[in-house]
Amino acid sequence: AQKITQTQPGMFVQEKEAVTLDCTYDTSDQSYGLFWYKQPSSGEMIFLIYQGSYDEQNATEGRYSLNFQKARKSANLVISASQLGDSAMYFCAMREGNTGGFKTIFGAGTRLFVKA
Amino acid sequence: SQTIHQWPATLVQPVGSPLSLECTVEGTSNPNLYWYRQAAGRGLQLLFYSVGIGQISSEVPQNLSASRPQDRQFILSSKKLLLSDSGFYLCACSGAKNIQYFGAGTRLSVL
Repeated sequence: AQKITQTQPGMFVQEKEAVTLDCTYDTSDQSYGLFWYKQPSSGEMIFLIYQGSYDEQNATEGRYSLNFQKARKSANLVISASQLGDSAMYFCAMREGNTGGFKTIFGAGTRLFVKA
Repeated sequence: SQTIHQWPATLVQPVGSPLSLECTVEGTSNPNLYWYRQAAGRGLQLLFYSVGIGQISSEVPQNLSASRPQDRQFILSSKKLLLSDSGFYLCACSGAKNIQYFGAGTRLSVL
């Protein structure tokens, strides 16, 4: 069984500073994908970044980067230069398998508050 | 890129009433489709997924059912709503690398 753990229910960060949101996962599969999603107060789920288990380099998308440490089974999200609009819930997610895995498991989420 | 349409945005229904939530997808064909439920302040729980017309897999036994009458249409239904069915319902479609793309969601309150 796969499992996603986000141990930080809430995080505060000062505007313009960087913040790391933690995520650990548990899987016995060799091939899997890791995702981060942002959910603002409006409720929509916005895809941020993807990391494949065989990707050798950490994924980056603009101000988002994923600190992938395979041996430790962690996939932390780093947001650089935080903005007020970054205040939201953030979910880490994983799906097993390369192309045949249909199910994605989500963590409980971390609520990020960006202070002016 | 795909666009997921969900409606209604909010819904208030009495206990025991029926439910029908519709999700349609544009910009892709033969997508994998998903229904999730999110309780207040919690993560997403996968309810149903579908890999094709008429093919439905249920993840959690419950008061709800799903149908896929057309390639890009996914419907979540209930014959009689329970209080515990309240929540935020999200439809999703998977794209490249199985990245999930979501609709805007429906907030359901059962009173």
